[in-house]
Amino acid sequence: NAGVTQTPKFRILKIGQSMTLQCTQDMNHNYMYWYRQDPGMGLKLIYYSVGAGITDKGEVPNGYNVSRSTTEDFPLRLELAAPSQTSVYFCASSPTANYGYTFGSGTRLTVV
Amino acid sequence: DQQVKQNSPSLSVQEGRISILNCDYTNSMFDYFLWYKKYPAEGPTFLISISSIKDKNEDGRFTVFLNKSAKHLSLHIVPSQPGDSAVYFCAASAVGNTGKLIFGQGTTLQVKP
Repeated sequence: NAGVTQTPKFRILKIGQSMTLQCTQDMNHNYMYWYRQDPGMGLKLIYYSVGAGITDKGEVPNGYNVSRSTTEDFPLRLELAAPSQTSVYFCASSPTANYGYTFGSGTRLTVV
Repeated sequence: DQQVKQNSPSLSVQEGRISILNCDYTNSMFDYFLWYKKYPAEGPTFLISISSIKDKNEDGRFTVFLNKSAKHLSLHIVPSQPGDSAVYFCAASAVGNTGKLIFGQGTTLQVKP
C-alpha cells in the first residue's frame, strides 16, 4: 500500500503565482486533513474533510482552498502565493475521528 | 493562544535509560490525546494514544500517562534506543471535533549510544 502520497515534494513559487498541492490516499479513509508546519512550530490545520463532497475550514484557512470530489483525493489550492505561505505542508488521512492519522511525506514550499 | 504546549524544545538521554516527554494542555474539552514521532524530511508517524477515560496506555516500550486534573500528559520510552532520536509531537482533540488535532510545538529527543 502506498498510504498517503503527496506531490510535489519541493516547490518554489513566485509571489502571486498559484499552485495545487496534490494528496491521494489508497486506504479508503473518509477523513482527510491538510496541515502546515512552520519552523519550530507544531502543525496547524488548514482544511479538513469528513467525506467526499464535504470540506470545512481549520485554524489557518486564509489563502487556501480545497475540494474533495472523490474519497481518494484531497488537493490543496494556493491562490496568489505570499511569502507567509512558505512552509512544509502535510496531508493526512484517518478512517474515523479519534484515530491516529497516516501522514504523507510532505511538500516543502518556498514563496519568493 | 497555545492550547497544547510542549515546554521542553529538546531532551538528551543515554541509550538504555528512560526518556520522559511532557505535554500540557489548557482546553478541558479535549478528550483524546496522541503522540507522533517525526524524522527529518518525513511525515509524522502515529505512536500511541490515550482516551480521557484512561490514565495510562502502554504499547511495548512506549507508555502514555494522562493526569486530567493537572491537564498534563507524558510519554515514557523505556529503554531508549538511538533509533528513537526524532521530534515528538503531542496532539489533542475534543469531543465531536471530527478528528481535528491541535499539536504542540514538538520536543527533539536525542538518544546517545
